[in-house]
Amino acid sequence: EAQVTQNPRYLITVTGKKLTVTCSQNMNHEYMSWYRQDPGLGLRQIYYSMNVEVTDKGDVPEGYKVSRKEKRNFPLILESPSPNQTSLYFCASRGGLAGLHEQYFGPGTRLTVT
Amino acid sequence: SQQGEEDPQALSIQEGENATMNCSYKTSINNLQWYRQNSGRGLVHLILIRSNEREKHSGRLRVTLDTSKKSSSLLITASRAADTASYFCATIRMDSSYKLIFGSGTRLLVRP
Repeated sequence: EAQVTQNPRYLITVTGKKLTVTCSQNMNHEYMSWYRQDPGLGLRQIYYSMNVEVTDKGDVPEGYKVSRKEKRNFPLILESPSPNQTSLYFCASRGGLAGLHEQYFGPGTRLTVT
Repeated sequence: SQQGEEDPQALSIQEGENATMNCSYKTSINNLQWYRQNSGRGLVHLILIRSNEREKHSGRLRVTLDTSKKSSSLLITASRAADTASYFCATIRMDSSYKLIFGSGTRLLVRP
């Protein structure tokens, strides 16, 4: 089954404690991205990657890091989480760049930073 | 800034009625996509309409696109309680990012 998986699904942590949210897709997609979703602000892209070892900042990259060492994995790293990073996070992937392909989303990770 | 803006922000209808949601966007597009999100879950792709198409159907969904007005509409016919969700339009930014930009969404409530 074609899917994007994320782990963990729920995470409560404290300010400053480094964490990683994993993302994996089994569709051999080139394009992957991370979004955060906040009430009233919609979906905002954090980082994206067009292929292995190619990553770039989205609209709200501050406080986040990503890596793309393998095509299937695109982890999101919060080196020193802060309460303003409390949010619902989605990983997504799609097969092409020009938008002629649907984008697949993971189930989401609800992060709370206290 | 968001490319697409949906209207209305919220919509409440009775089961069996039709639901219409509108989306406006700002720049030229190659295509426009609609997604559904059940509460707190990942978005699911519904339908894609290309810029040279005016109307597209998929089951109970009908999407129209008016590139001259930079607008699209999503019609769900004979709605069901299971259609309760948020609906988003999305367009691709045709620059080096190829970012999919989402509108603010319409929250649809279908009352049984």
